[in-house]
Amino acid sequence: SYDLAQPFSVSVALGQTARITCGGNNIGSKNVHWYQQKPGQAPVLVIYRDNNRPSGIPARFSGSNSGNRATLIISRAQAGDEADYYCQVWDSSVVFGGGTKLTVL
Amino acid sequence: QVQLVESGGGLVKPGGSLTLSCAASGFSLSDTDYYMNWIRQAPGKGLEWISYISYNAIYYSDSVKGRFTMSRDNTKNSLYLQMNSLRADDTAVYYCVRVDGPGEGFDPWGQGTLVTVSS
Repeated sequence: SYDLAQPFSVSVALGQTARITCGGNNIGSKNVHWYQQKPGQAPVLVIYRDNNRPSGIPARFSGSNSGNRATLIISRAQAGDEADYYCQVWDSSVVFGGGTKLTVL
Repeated sequence: QVQLVESGGGLVKPGGSLTLSCAASGFSLSDTDYYMNWIRQAPGKGLEWISYISYNAIYYSDSVKGRFTMSRDNTKNSLYLQMNSLRADDTAVYYCVRVDGPGEGFDPWGQGTLVTVSS
């Protein structure tokens, strides 16, 4: 089975850039999707197919994907960006990363 | 506006059964462009995909295969998840989620319904 590895937590200073990684074997050959989940709420798609934003998602959210690592990039981090973030790919079935808790200091 | 609303969660004893429903609005479940999914999240844990239904097939994760059955009623524009032989590790919030097809991102998500399996 295919595995996705995410750091358990990431911290970023207010207004700085947060980078959340998602590691997988040759993940660069797959489409990576990213979800934001705030406490008590359902996940929300924030990046699809590596680096595309759904309507309503701020341009501060972007993504990259190459080799064995995909990255969610959140520029000018705000307090409201504090959440859990999950990466996801399709392999023989649907695979989610374990999630990363983003803290904005 | 596309909306998914789950219902049917609750407390059930180990070995018991429960059926979840998901009412869709703003689009038609009979539209072959969309695949519908159930994804769950155990308390304090990550996301786990468990099943999806396309226009001509249904797939399940190994963790629920043989115990859970996904179905839909296009006349009611609703999706269902029949859950049998429930175990404590099935305790989770269950989300109904749409995807535009294999390989795409999941969007939108319902608000979720909590299933608790406990004696």
